[in-house]
Amino acid sequence: SQTIHQWPATLVQPVGSPLSLECTVEGTSNPNLYWYRQAAGRGLQLLFYSVGIGQISSEVPQNLSASRPQDRQFILSSKKLLLSDSGFYLCAWSGGTGRYEQYFGPGTRLTVT
Amino acid sequence: GENVEQHPSTLSVQEGDSAVIKCTYSDSASNYFPWYKQELGKRPQLIIDIRSNVGEKKDQRIAVTLNKTAKHFSLHITETQPEDSAVYFCAASVNSGGYQKVTFGTGTKLQVIP
Repeated sequence: SQTIHQWPATLVQPVGSPLSLECTVEGTSNPNLYWYRQAAGRGLQLLFYSVGIGQISSEVPQNLSASRPQDRQFILSSKKLLLSDSGFYLCAWSGGTGRYEQYFGPGTRLTVT
Repeated sequence: GENVEQHPSTLSVQEGDSAVIKCTYSDSASNYFPWYKQELGKRPQLIIDIRSNVGEKKDQRIAVTLNKTAKHFSLHITETQPEDSAVYFCAASVNSGGYQKVTFGTGTKLQVIP
């Protein structure tokens, strides 16, 4: 069966510091991968998606970036965090063409102070 | 782009009663409509979904209906239980360049009162 991991689970970072969140998927190959952000008490905002290694598309222009160095690894980064970057970051995967269901990882709760 | 509206934002029901959450979407090309349940502090979990070639789908106490003409879909929970208390998100999905682009509603906080 497929499993999705995210780490760290929680993170407190000062404004202006860098960020690196990691997501890995097990039990499937060539998944579509997604990064979402959820502000407190709000809905889900798609940040990036990837259909393959090195293929990243951004939905929202901001100070975040994403990379996919391996088939089942997806990384979210920032060079300098802003207060507005605080939130619950969720990685998700889907099975590719014809497989519509998206499954979420456990999330990383980021607080920028 | 796609716009998904969800109502109500909060819903309180007595245990055993039914709960209905309604969503509308704007993109007629949307072909997949999932529903997620999110408990406090946890990840959203897919609870039921429906594709555009189906009008209704049921899984035990949960059912989803889709009206493509009117561009609206609904989640029905019967015989509600306290463990159904959570935030529920609807979503509409459209094929976009090799992947399914999902747009989420703003969520409904369901409270089931014992």
